[in-house]
Amino acid sequence: NAGVTQTPKFRILKIGQSMTLQCTQDMNHNYMYWYRQDPGMGLKLIYYSVGAGITDKGEVPNGYNVSRSTTEDFPLRLELAAPSQTSVYFCASIGQYTEAFFGQGTRLTVV
Amino acid sequence: KQEVTQIPAALSVPEGENLVLNCSFTDSAIYNLQWFRQDPGKGLTSLLLIQSSQREQTSGRLNASLDKSSGRSTLYIAASQPGDSATYLCAVSNAGNMLTFGGGTRLMVKP
Repeated sequence: NAGVTQTPKFRILKIGQSMTLQCTQDMNHNYMYWYRQDPGMGLKLIYYSVGAGITDKGEVPNGYNVSRSTTEDFPLRLELAAPSQTSVYFCASIGQYTEAFFGQGTRLTVV
Repeated sequence: KQEVTQIPAALSVPEGENLVLNCSFTDSAIYNLQWFRQDPGKGLTSLLLIQSSQREQTSGRLNASLDKSSGRSTLYIAASQPGDSATYLCAVSNAGNMLTFGGGTRLMVKP
């Protein structure tokens, strides 16, 4: 099992550009999440999904979109990137009564 | 809205010392609580998962306790080692398996 895989690991975007952060899990987990972590801070929930076809907003959804067409994949889309979106992004998945598994993160800089 | 607080924010101890990290949460209607370790520039690794019906979990030198009624959890690390230096995060899971994170405790164990 690869667990949770995120790509890319690093990215620099110019203001106004768009990109998609990819997240795939191979554990057949229903629950998937996107978090952002700013320097020295905890994690804030952007979007989450409780199963294929179902997504919902978390604490800080503005400027982001997600989709969940399959159980395995949960991509995060940034439209019109802004400097405030400079952060480290983590994808996570949870099974029924299991611990959370996190990807290694995507470090995004918007300049 | 669930809020999770971790005290202290940073801790420096000499090698060999036993230590306690604290986590408190405002809404006691949780499904479970997890403790994570995060090394600099890395993702999160789950250390211990305590279900809401449990009082504690142990793994090696780590012991986590949960008092749901008072909204508190502690992570006890015995005989600390320099390799334990990292940021420790606690997170609680509410309805929908949504994880809410504390701000973390940055631990430094000096040789």
